[in-house]
Amino acid sequence: AQSVTQLGSHVSVSEGALVLLRCNYSSSVPPYLFWYVQYPNQGLQLLLKYTTGATLVKGINGFEAEFKKSETSFHLTKPSAHMSDAAEYFCAVIRSGGSYIPTFGRGTSLIVHP
Amino acid sequence: DTGVSQDPRHKITKRGQNVTFRCDPISEHNRLYWYRQTLGQGPEFLTYFQNEAQLEKSRLLSDRFSAERPKGSFSTLEIQRTEQGDSAMYLCASSLGKTGFGNTIYFGEGSWLTVV
Repeated sequence: AQSVTQLGSHVSVSEGALVLLRCNYSSSVPPYLFWYVQYPNQGLQLLLKYTTGATLVKGINGFEAEFKKSETSFHLTKPSAHMSDAAEYFCAVIRSGGSYIPTFGRGTSLIVHP
Repeated sequence: DTGVSQDPRHKITKRGQNVTFRCDPISEHNRLYWYRQTLGQGPEFLTYFQNEAQLEKSRLLSDRFSAERPKGSFSTLEIQRTEQGDSAMYLCASSLGKTGFGNTIYFGEGSWLTVV
């Protein structure tokens, strides 16, 4: 079954520093990959998604992620962190050819220090 | 354009009571999903509907849980004889068709359940 592993339950950065949130997936067939953000007491909002085509995907709020098949990774990055980026981030995978239901990772909490 | 709405947002109930959550998806979205999320965890799939048909149920969906989507519009998730382990946020989401084909799954803000 397809799954994702998010390395690090918490990531702490200073404002203005690079943000790197790691996600590795397990899928025997080409996957569709997503990153979602969740602010306190709210639902999930889509940041970006990879389906086909260009492997570097740009999303909202300055985030981007690169699909690397050889590394089975889909890490999320942002060049410069803002205080408003503090939230929970979830990586999700869908196995193509299945029922197309997203499976989520356990999440990474991003903490941004002033 | 209204998003996915869920009601109630918060529910505190005594163990053994029944609770029902309602989800109104984005208009014209034919797929509707229910997920459960506990503290420190990612959302876990419970069930989904394609129009009014419930097509898949997770092993997490015990016999005490039932979901419906009459007429393919809003959906309800009922939990009977609640247990403390049912305390979680119940997320509803919807999409126009299969996610991945350029279709995005949109989430509601969730319904928090606390069983005391």
